[in-house]
Amino acid sequence: GNSVTQMEGPVTLSEEAFLTINCTYTATGYPSLFWYVQYPGEGLQLLLKATKADDKGSNKGFEATYRKETTSFHLEKGSVQVSDSAVYFCALSEYTGGFKTIFGAGTRLFVKA
Amino acid sequence: DVKVTQSSRYLVKRTGEKVFLECVQDMDHENMFWYRQDPGLGLRLIYFSYDVKMKEKGDIPEGYSVSREKKERFSLILESASTNQTSMYLCASSWQGAKNIQYFGAGTRLSVL
Repeated sequence: GNSVTQMEGPVTLSEEAFLTINCTYTATGYPSLFWYVQYPGEGLQLLLKATKADDKGSNKGFEATYRKETTSFHLEKGSVQVSDSAVYFCALSEYTGGFKTIFGAGTRLFVKA
Repeated sequence: DVKVTQSSRYLVKRTGEKVFLECVQDMDHENMFWYRQDPGLGLRLIYFSYDVKMKEKGDIPEGYSVSREKKERFSLILESASTNQTSMYLCASSWQGAKNIQYFGAGTRLSVL
């Protein structure tokens, strides 16, 4: 079945450092891919998405490119801020008689000033 | 903005109690979901609903039931709470026209003693 694997955390970075959070997936068809973010004390919110191969999703300085050949959707940001400290979830969604979203385990990011 | 409201942020219940978790969304979304979130496991789907009075089992429905009497409200019921149901519970909704983008509530942290 479909699955999402993302790097284990926590990831600890200093402010202005470069961020990469790896995400790979397995899917039977052509899923849409997402990154959601969960700030402390809040629910998940959509950060960015990509719906087909080679699409790049971007938002708030974060980017991720849908790589079908490597089944990956790695999240990157060139310069993190303390306010980016959160848990990041990679997810895929595919129509198989109904839309179902599969989430990765989440990666906690700590950014130090 | 879409607002998904969960009635309680924190709940403490005793083993064997019947527990109701309530979720209301204000954007007329057709689809609603209940997940539980546990460290290292990400989000796991308990139940979902595509319409009023309609429900479908997710990946881990055992020990839970749901009710959707009105479009805006989706309730999760623990018929007889057990300690292994201690978790964070997240409600989400999505629009039929964009089924795979979900909007989340802030979560209910349930402790069963």
